[in-house]
Amino acid sequence: DSGVTQTPKHLITATGQRVTLRCSPRSGDLSVYWYQQSLDQGLQFLIQYYNGEERAKGNILERFSAQQFPDLHSELNLSSLELGDSALYFCASSDAGGPYNEQFFGPGTRLTVL
Amino acid sequence: SQQGEEDPQALSIQEGENATMNCSYKTSINNLQWYRQNSGRGLVHLILIRSNEREKHSGRLRVTLDTSKKSSSLLITASRAADTASYFCATDALDSNYQLIWGAGTKLIIKP
Repeated sequence: DSGVTQTPKHLITATGQRVTLRCSPRSGDLSVYWYQQSLDQGLQFLIQYYNGEERAKGNILERFSAQQFPDLHSELNLSSLELGDSALYFCASSDAGGPYNEQFFGPGTRLTVL
Repeated sequence: SQQGEEDPQALSIQEGENATMNCSYKTSINNLQWYRQNSGRGLVHLILIRSNEREKHSGRLRVTLDTSKKSSSLLITASRAADTASYFCATDALDSNYQLIWGAGTKLIIKP
């Protein structure tokens, strides 16, 4: 158990809909990272927050947004969903502001868009 | 853009044999990390090697880093069925804007 929690575990929705994925980092970790993993693919970095502020942005679509709250949990919002958004979404946390230390991954949310 | 690229894409060996996976990257790095992912699960950190290190061990794992060739290898000795997983390398390039750049992974299957 990494100490990172993600909810929900599974999400099935229709095209055009909007969903929110939630992540709670390990106790004490200030950084939260969001990743997308399509079937049998590597990880695509989406976005990082550090202590409430956006720190780095990757290949995140404009239809996607995220935020980190004062209690350090984070939410990833996906809107106008398309079939191609079906994927595993992981969050990870670390105690560092940069990618210098290991990241601890949550179990992921499997999103299926029908 | 893809920074780390693992090789081979897939590897199938007998239990007890050694498994070697390679990772190549394009730009100078601060450190390189290896992670394991069991099917559909979250990734688990295995080992981090810094750019000024050449070799690192952790249990049955041995990682080497050759910055002149921009490559790293992960060796798993005396493989076990439980080692069946995908293995990813990730680098933080000096110009990576705080991102870890991930390879596509090597899928390792250990046959009993």
